[in-house]
Amino acid sequence: AQKVTQAQTEISVVEKEDVTLDCVYETRDTTYYLFWYKQPPSGELVFLIRRNSFDEQNEISGRYSWNFQKSTSSFNFTITASQVVDSAVYFCALKGIIQGAQKLVFGQGTRLTINP
Amino acid sequence: DVKVTQSSRYLVKRTGEKVFLECVQDMDHENMFWYRQDPGLGLRLIYFSYDVKMKEKGDIPEGYSVSREKKERFSLILESASTNQTSMYLCASSQLGNRGNQPQHFGDGTRLSIL
Repeated sequence: AQKVTQAQTEISVVEKEDVTLDCVYETRDTTYYLFWYKQPPSGELVFLIRRNSFDEQNEISGRYSWNFQKSTSSFNFTITASQVVDSAVYFCALKGIIQGAQKLVFGQGTRLTINP
Repeated sequence: DVKVTQSSRYLVKRTGEKVFLECVQDMDHENMFWYRQDPGLGLRLIYFSYDVKMKEKGDIPEGYSVSREKKERFSLILESASTNQTSMYLCASSQLGNRGNQPQHFGDGTRLSIL
């Protein structure tokens, strides 16, 4: 079975602080893909990043960075110098290519609030 | 940019009614999906479709059906709405992709209330 756990239900920080959102996954597939999505108050889920299981390089995109560690089955997301516009619900998701190849399994989501 | 359009942002219906939620995508994507989102449960897959007239059950298909008569349109049908189907419904689409690596693109969601 595939499972994604986002243990942090809600996080609240003050603007300009760094914040890390945790994601731990379970899968028996040897090849799989991990995703992060952002859901602002408007409701639409916005795709942020995709990472395949063979690529453990960390990635940085502006203030966003992702740390993929296969040894601990984690794919954590860090926002540096947070801004109020970063306030949203963030979802981590897993897709395997053997079982349910076209289905995403989502975590429960982490509600991030950035206070001015 | 990919555009996934859901017909209604907010919808209020009564118990027992037949409810149609419509979704249209403009990028010629093969795959389309319907999810429901509930607090503390994340997104759960109801149904998905790989192609016209094809459909597959997701994790929670009970009480729902779908229709895909045209590639760009995927409809979710609540045959006889019940109060436990009050939820946010999200439609998504993706390219067929190589080994399932294509991201899904989501619509704005429909917040459905069943009274």
